[in-house]
Amino acid sequence: KQEVTQIPAALSVPEGENLVLNCSFTDSAIYNLQWFRQDPGKGLTSLLLIQSSQREQTSGRLNASLDKSSGRSTLYIAASQPGDSATYLCAVRPVPEGGSRLTFGEGTQLTVNP
Amino acid sequence: KAGVTQTPRYLIKTRGQQVTLSCSPISGHRSVSWYQQTPGQGLQFLFEYFSETQRNKGNFPGRFSGRQFSNSRSEMNVSTLELGDSALYLCASSLEGQNTGELFFGEGSRLTVL
Repeated sequence: KQEVTQIPAALSVPEGENLVLNCSFTDSAIYNLQWFRQDPGKGLTSLLLIQSSQREQTSGRLNASLDKSSGRSTLYIAASQPGDSATYLCAVRPVPEGGSRLTFGEGTQLTVNP
Repeated sequence: KAGVTQTPRYLIKTRGQQVTLSCSPISGHRSVSWYQQTPGQGLQFLFEYFSETQRNKGNFPGRFSGRQFSNSRSEMNVSTLELGDSALYLCASSLEGQNTGELFFGEGSRLTVL
């Protein structure tokens, strides 16, 4: 059974800092890994998706890496801003036969202080 | 391009009642999946529908059911509501057949059971 863990559970940083969020998973037989952002009371916004054959993806100030063999992914946020405050979730999707069933981590609650 | 639309956004029910939630996927997306989010359990997979067929099912009791229509719109139903069913119910759609498998989520339906 796939298990996804995110560390730390909460993080508070001053504006402008670069930061790294961690995600680990127990079963390396994944199709892809997706990072999401969730604002309080809202749905999930997709940030980055990394295919199992890829090592990293970038979008603006965000960079996500994937090391499938070790079961780890990181989300790097450069020059953090107060608007980045949210909960960040990673989720893994099994190989295509598993459909679109995602297994989520518990999330990292990020607070960026002005 | 419209995103995933969920209705209603908020609803309050009493124990023993039943509820139906609706999800309209992104145009052209044929896969719709449902998730339950609670503070204690995090995000848990309920079920997935593809071309009107249930393709995957999570570990929820039979009180939770769903269906998908020919236009890919989906509904989920919870019968005999319990207090523990209070949660944010999220719907996601994806364009199967492409190699990314990226999921896009709606804003959710927040159910409160009194």
